[in-house]
Amino acid sequence: DGGITQSPKYLFRKEGQNVTLSCEQNLNHDAMYWYRQDPGQGLRLIYYSQIVNDFQKGDIAEGYSVSREKKESFPLTVTSAQKNPTAFYLCASSAGQGNTIYFGEGSWLTVV
Amino acid sequence: QKEVEQNSGPLSVPEGAIASLNCTYSDRGSQSFFWYRQYSGKSPELIMSIYSNGDKEDGRFTAQLNKASQYVSLLIRDSQPSDSATYLCAVRANFGNEKLTFGTGTRLTIIP
Repeated sequence: DGGITQSPKYLFRKEGQNVTLSCEQNLNHDAMYWYRQDPGQGLRLIYYSQIVNDFQKGDIAEGYSVSREKKESFPLTVTSAQKNPTAFYLCASSAGQGNTIYFGEGSWLTVV
Repeated sequence: QKEVEQNSGPLSVPEGAIASLNCTYSDRGSQSFFWYRQYSGKSPELIMSIYSNGDKEDGRFTAQLNKASQYVSLLIRDSQPSDSATYLCAVRANFGNEKLTFGTGTRLTIIP
């Protein structure tokens, strides 16, 4: 099946730890995105990548890092510098050129 | 001024009536506009995309775009209880820049 796969679906992090959220797509999409959603809030852009080996900061990049070494993969690392990381994280992809963005099922991150 | 603004609601509409959702955006150069539906705890799913001024209809849904007024709306005819969700407006700045910015969403409740 074609789609966007995020893992893990649920993740618990101890304070001071870095964690990495995986996002893989087999849609041959050029652009990939990471959004964060807090309860009752909209989506805020963390990072996005339009091509392999290139990415841009979104509106709330502080405390996060990404890489785009392969077209199909765009992992997000939530570092210990992110002071309030508990949220719902959404990965998305698009064929680019103004095309529609499609979302994975999301990952819930909780700091314990 | 927020880049994409929506009334947060909640918006309550009787079953069978028309639900009207509104969105304004600040970047006059924006080219692509999207409406997503998000059920609680789930990832957003695309309802409509619109690129040109005017109306675009798909089943019970109609998207309306007015670039001069920087306004995009979504009408849902014959509202059903299953339409109860949060509706997110998303705007892409221009072709060549794949950054997609979301509003905070409008929570819609259809009353049986």
